Amino acid sequence: EAQVTQNPRYLITVTGKKLTVTCSQNMNHEYMSWYRQDPGLGLRQIYYSMNVEVTDKGDVPEGYKVSRKEKRNFPLILESPSPNQTSLYFCASGLNGLAGGGEQYFGPGTRLTVT
Amino acid sequence: QKEVEQNSGPLSVPEGAIASLNCTYSDRGSQSFFWYRQYSGKSPELIMSIYSNGDKEDGRFTAQLNKASQYVSLLIRDSQPSDSATYLCAVANQGGKLIFGQGTELSVKP
Repeated sequence: EAQVTQNPRYLITVTGKKLTVTCSQNMNHEYMSWYRQDPGLGLRQIYYSMNVEVTDKGDVPEGYKVSRKEKRNFPLILESPSPNQTSLYFCASGLNGLAGGGEQYFGPGTRLTVT
Repeated sequence: QKEVEQNSGPLSVPEGAIASLNCTYSDRGSQSFFWYRQYSGKSPELIMSIYSNGDKEDGRFTAQLNKASQYVSLLIRDSQPSDSATYLCAVANQGGKLIFGQGTELSVKP
């Protein structure tokens, strides 16, 4: 089944404890992206990747790192999480990016709470 | 001014009516435009994408784009209770950067 998977789905952690949220897709998509969703602020893009070893900042990259060492995986790393990073995180992938109205497929989301 | 603005909701329409969702954007260099639907507690899913001026129809959904006015809309004909969700407008540049509006909550009453 074609899908985007995220792990973990739920995570409660403490301030400053490094964590990684994994994202994997099995559709051989070039494009992958991370978003966070907060009440009243909507969905905001954190980072995106047009291809392996190519990553770019979205709207809210501060406090996050990503890597794209292989096409199928795009982990989101929080080196020192803070309470303002408490949010619902979505990973998404698309065949060739967004040009020409390219479709993105979203993962199920990861709900992160930082205390 | 927000980069992508949607008409504030919630929007309530009776079953069978036309629901009209509107979105304006500030970046004239924007290339592609998307409408996503998000049910409560679920992931966004793509409804329509459009990148040329004019109308694009897919079943009960019609997306309209006017780049001169920096305006994109989504019409839902014959609205059904199952259409009740939050609709997200999103705008992309030539690369992979995507900006979402804050969303419009639609409620279709039986």
